[in-house]
Amino acid sequence: EIVMTQSPATLSVSPGERATLSCRASQSVRSKLAWYQQKPGQAPRLLIYSASTRATGIPARFSGSGSGTEFTLTISSLESEDFAVYYCQQYNNWPSITFGQGTRLEIK
Amino acid sequence: QVQLVESGGGVVQPGRSLRLSCAASGFTFSNYAFHWVRQAPGKGLEWVAVISTDGRDLYHADSVKGRFTISRDNSKNTLYLQMNTLRAEDTAVYFCAKDKTAAAAYYFDSWGQGTLVTVSS
Repeated sequence: EIVMTQSPATLSVSPGERATLSCRASQSVRSKLAWYQQKPGQAPRLLIYSASTRATGIPARFSGSGSGTEFTLTISSLESEDFAVYYCQQYNNWPSITFGQGTRLEIK
Repeated sequence: QVQLVESGGGVVQPGRSLRLSCAASGFTFSNYAFHWVRQAPGKGLEWVAVISTDGRDLYHADSVKGRFTISRDNSKNTLYLQMNTLRAEDTAVYFCAKDKTAAAAYYFDSWGQGTLVTVSS
């Protein structure tokens, strides 16, 4: 099983500032990496797939980068609705796909 | 507009069975692979199972293999998860999730709101 490790567990950032979230895979997943946002009581929402492609309707302030084992989700200028939990997910090793444990992005 | 509505959750005793349903609308259901993903209370996401467009290809996570079975009825636009021999560790919100493609890309562009399954005596 590929283990996905996200860091930090909690990130405190002020509105308007940049947030950088990291995700590391225990072995290469090429670019088969997705990012999701989840708010309390809601289902996850797809933000990024193929490591860097924004999903339909996702604002340009969200960007993804990386390949192999190291990935980054960047939110360029945080808005109030961006404070949530973010998960990375690898889908290279299907059907044994795995998620990271999540990064909680909170208001500083 | 894509809509996925799960139902069938509830409180069940260990060892008993439950069947979840996910009703789909707003798109051509039979054109996409589908998944179940679960989330234990206060925890992260865990993939559970996938089914191909025609229902012939199924895969289940090791944690549920032999106990859970995913299925679909394309004539009813509905996805199912039959859960047998339930354990306390199966307690979670269960989401149905639409695959981005027909060929099962294994990432999910639409999700239902989830249905809570609680396994407890």
